[in-house]
Amino acid sequence: NAGVTQTPKFRILKIGQSMTLQCTQDMNHNYMYWYRQDPGMGLKLIYYSVGAGITDKGEVPNGYNVSRSTTEDFPLRLELAAPSQTSVYFCASSYEENYEQYFGPGTRLTVT
Amino acid sequence: QQQVKQSPQSLIVQKGGIPIINCAYENTAFDYFPWYQQFPGKGPALLIAIRPDVSEKKEGRFTISFNKSAKQFSLHIMDSQPGDSATYFCARLSGNTGKLIFGQGTTLQVKP
Repeated sequence: NAGVTQTPKFRILKIGQSMTLQCTQDMNHNYMYWYRQDPGMGLKLIYYSVGAGITDKGEVPNGYNVSRSTTEDFPLRLELAAPSQTSVYFCASSYEENYEQYFGPGTRLTVT
Repeated sequence: QQQVKQSPQSLIVQKGGIPIINCAYENTAFDYFPWYQQFPGKGPALLIAIRPDVSEKKEGRFTISFNKSAKQFSLHIMDSQPGDSATYFCARLSGNTGKLIFGQGTTLQVKP
């Protein structure tokens, strides 16, 4: 099992560009999550999904979009990148909502 | 938004010392209080977790103490080692939403 994988590991974007952060899990987990981590701020939930075709907003969804067409994949889309979106992004998955969340290695994004 | 307040922000101890990290939560229904450990360049990983019906849980050198009346829970690391140097996050999982809310994180350095 590879667990949760994320690509790319690093990316630099110019203001106004768009990109998709990829996340894949091979544990057949129903729940998947996107977090962003900023220094001294902990992790903030952006979006989550309870299964294929079902997504919902987290604490900080503005400027992001998600889709969940398969159990395995949960991509995060940034439209019109802004400097405020400079952060480290983590994808996570869990079997059910009250179970342990497994995190990917993260994507470090810089918007300049 | 229900929050978890974590302190201290950073902590330095000598090898063999017992670092203590504290978290406080607001009065609402919680099912689960996990602690996550994060090494530089890696995603967080579950370290230990407690449910509110117990006051203490030990796993190896790591102990969670839970004080329901004070709405606080703490992580103690016995006989700390340089390899324990990492960032530690407390979190709470709401039984109503299934979402994890993280504390701000504590960066621990254990000096040899």
